[in-house]
Amino acid sequence: GAVVSQHPSRVICKSGTSVKIECRSLDFQATTMFWYRQFPKQSLMLMATSNEGSKATYEQGVEKDKFLINHASLTLSTLTVTSAHPEDSSFYICSATSSVTDTQYFGPGTRLTVL
Amino acid sequence: GIQVEQSPPDLILQEGANSTLRCNFSDSVNNLQWFHQNPWGQLINLFYIPSGTKQNGRLSATTVATERYSLLYISSSQTTDSGVYFCAVLPLGGGNKLTFGTGTQLKVEL
Repeated sequence: GAVVSQHPSRVICKSGTSVKIECRSLDFQATTMFWYRQFPKQSLMLMATSNEGSKATYEQGVEKDKFLINHASLTLSTLTVTSAHPEDSSFYICSATSSVTDTQYFGPGTRLTVL
Repeated sequence: GIQVEQSPPDLILQEGANSTLRCNFSDSVNNLQWFHQNPWGQLINLFYIPSGTKQNGRLSATTVATERYSLLYISSSQTTDSGVYFCAVLPLGGGNKLTFGTGTQLKVEL
């Protein structure tokens, strides 16, 4: 149980384009989903928290107009990187929790490369 | 905010050796989790351990919340144990946001 998927697993795009990453909880209802970013050889940094049906809460220093988050259902959250630039190249990881437990379950991550 | 430091930052072991990884945190916590990030980036939950001791096969973990640290023990290490180990904490009064530690990069060699 408690499986979280992400799609795509890897994406390469040109500078200036937008990229959408999906995060799905496969066997539980995720009341809260989290988006993290991880640069090479570094730890995970929380970008934003999204609750189903409400606006995402962004961490300090994260541009909400650049990283659009939608949590339209209890099993799906999306992160859209708008007008991507090479410095946005990173490993993006989502996680999800249910109303039953505060344990976070993590997706496999999406490696974004912006050329 | 809360600071979470892990040691050692890097560790190389011969297969079969035992090791202890440490996680120190600067403030009281509601929850602590240990994760293994494999070479492909997937984070695997190892333990949910806000206090006490738990064991799962060759791995065990102990959290002493009053002294603000947690230990992860790996016994009889295998090459598949290689990767990065993170602890992550839920600060007391910090809602449901996990703060990740600095990580320990483990390499197990034949």
